[in-house]
Amino acid sequence: KQEVTQIPAALSVPEGENLVLNCSFTDSAIYNLQWFRQDPGKGLTSLLLIQSSQREQTSGRLNASLDKSSGRSTLYIAASQPGDSATYLCAVKSGAQKLVFGQGTRLTINP
Amino acid sequence: DGGITQSPKYLFRKEGQNVTLSCEQNLNHDAMYWYRQDPGQGLRLIYYSQIVNDFQKGDIAEGYSVSREKKESFPLTVTSAQKNPTAFYLCASSRGLPSTEAFFGQGTRLTVV
Repeated sequence: KQEVTQIPAALSVPEGENLVLNCSFTDSAIYNLQWFRQDPGKGLTSLLLIQSSQREQTSGRLNASLDKSSGRSTLYIAASQPGDSATYLCAVKSGAQKLVFGQGTRLTINP
Repeated sequence: DGGITQSPKYLFRKEGQNVTLSCEQNLNHDAMYWYRQDPGQGLRLIYYSQIVNDFQKGDIAEGYSVSREKKESFPLTVTSAQKNPTAFYLCASSRGLPSTEAFFGQGTRLTVV
């Protein structure tokens, strides 16, 4: 059974810092991995999608990497801003096309 | 604008009542999903459907039921058999191919009163 873990559970950094969020999964037989952002009381916003054959994807200040063989992905956020404060979730799609989620990292960027 | 619409945003249920949460998408997606989110926890899959008139149980289907009579609609009924229904419910859709991106609605917060 696929399990997804995100570390740390919470992170607080000053504005302007670069930071890395981690995601690990137990079964490397995945179709893709997706990073989402969730603001309090809201739905999920898709940030980046990495296919199983890809190593990384970039969108603006965000860069996500995937190492399928080791079961790891990282989300790199450059030059963090207070507006980046949110919960970040990673999810893998594997077997029967179901998305399996980690518990998220709650990120706070301090002005 | 294309997207996923969940309604209502807030829903209150009395003990012993069934309630139905609506999820509509105009993205022409084949696959649709229902997830439950509890405070401090990740999303858990309730039901999913990859095509009209077909759906499968997820990890926590007990006490829930769904239908998929139309491609754009995937309503979720929370029955009285669900012992702890208070949660945030999220609907998602994707094109149905394994490699495609999933998109989410804005959620429905259900509270038992």
